[in-house]
Amino acid sequence: AQSVTQPDIHITVSEGASLELRCNYSYGATPYLFWYVQSPGQGLQLLLKYFSGDTLVQGIKGFEAEFKRSQSSFNLRKPSVHWSDAAEYFCAVGSILTGGGNKLTFGTGTQLKVEL
Amino acid sequence: ETGVTQTPRHLVMGMTNKKSLKCEQHLGHNAMYWYKQSAKKPLELMFVYSLEERVENNSVPSRFSPECPNSSHLFLHLHTLQPEDSALYLCASSSGINSDTQYFGPGTRLTVL
Repeated sequence: AQSVTQPDIHITVSEGASLELRCNYSYGATPYLFWYVQSPGQGLQLLLKYFSGDTLVQGIKGFEAEFKRSQSSFNLRKPSVHWSDAAEYFCAVGSILTGGGNKLTFGTGTQLKVEL
Repeated sequence: ETGVTQTPRHLVMGMTNKKSLKCEQHLGHNAMYWYKQSAKKPLELMFVYSLEERVENNSVPSRFSPECPNSSHLFLHLHTLQPEDSALYLCASSSGINSDTQYFGPGTRLTVL
């Protein structure tokens, strides 16, 4: 069965500092990997996704993530954090459903706090 | 309206009530999903519909009953709920092709008294 681990429940960084959020996955085949962000009272917004090809993926809002198969990791990074980045971040692994659509398995999320 | 919309945004109900959550997607997608988001727990996939057929049911109690009358609309009918069912219920849609991106609505915050 597929699973995702986000080892950091809370992270606090200063505005302008760099950020790395960790994500480890367990999946038997080539994974489809996603990072979503959720602001309070909102749904989830896609930041970036990895399906195949280049292991360094660029996303919206200046985020990037690197797929490392040998480490089963898909860590999210941003070189300089803005106060508006404070939110909860979710990593997910996806698999295709036989009848159509796909199944996302999410981690428990990392709550990011940004200090001004 | 654009994207995925959900109504109502907030719902308070007693354990003997019957209510329904509505989701509508304006993206031309063929697959729709219900998720449950509880505090301190990962998002849980509840149901998946593809081309109006249910393709996944993740051992969800029968007090939750989904309905997908067409590819743009998804309902979650609720009856005889328990307090532990209080959560944020999120709807999502995707094209239905391979592992395409799922787009989420803002959710319905449900409180069961």
